[in-house]
Amino acid sequence: NAGVTQTPKFRVLKTGQSMTLLCAQDMNHEYMYWYRQDPGMGLRLIHYSVGEGTTAKGEVPDGYNVSRLKKQNFLLGLESAAPSQTSVYFCASSLDRRSSENTIYFGEGSWLTVV
Amino acid sequence: DQQVKQNSPSLSVQEGRISILNCDYTNSMFDYFLWYKKYPAEGPTFLISISSIKDKNEDGRFTVFLNKSAKHLSLHIVPSQPGDSAVYFCAAIQGAQKLVFGQGTRLTINP
Repeated sequence: NAGVTQTPKFRVLKTGQSMTLLCAQDMNHEYMYWYRQDPGMGLRLIHYSVGEGTTAKGEVPDGYNVSRLKKQNFLLGLESAAPSQTSVYFCASSLDRRSSENTIYFGEGSWLTVV
Repeated sequence: DQQVKQNSPSLSVQEGRISILNCDYTNSMFDYFLWYKKYPAEGPTFLISISSIKDKNEDGRFTVFLNKSAKHLSLHIVPSQPGDSAVYFCAAIQGAQKLVFGQGTRLTINP
């Protein structure tokens, strides 16, 4: 998972608190993503970005906001955390849509518990 | 609406035998498919991919087969090794890199 770094790795929040997850990549990738992984649900796309200054909604965007002010960073914010947002969050990045090595690189995950 | 489905939550295979993981999809607009492998407490790592214009792609012990008419793809691992024990995710891409994942299949290789 070299190249995609997520912080923090672990966090416990109280219901209603806010927090921001930071994702940083050093591969000069255009595309960045935030996923959440829940048992039996696979990885579901929350938001994604196709370049600096752009963001778009994924499958499960409600309750989250994102920003891509710099190409290398993609921030995921929870404005008012809810227990349903207890999950493992993965950031990912990719070069472009049609490169020969069309792979997406993931970070190691951030474990978030909302109590 | 689960566009990519892995109907087997788990699979157990004896070391040395073939492991076959299956994946079905509903969206005919998907044009690229990938398999990811995930160990506990780590992020998913890319394993192998296939374009929709192909029906087979091979990389060492791993082969992915695509049947577009059936909207089905499979991952074959042969021979299976203990280090292959992990959760395997099937994923599909449509449009601007919206990667959609299946639920995952936990593969256990028994010695």
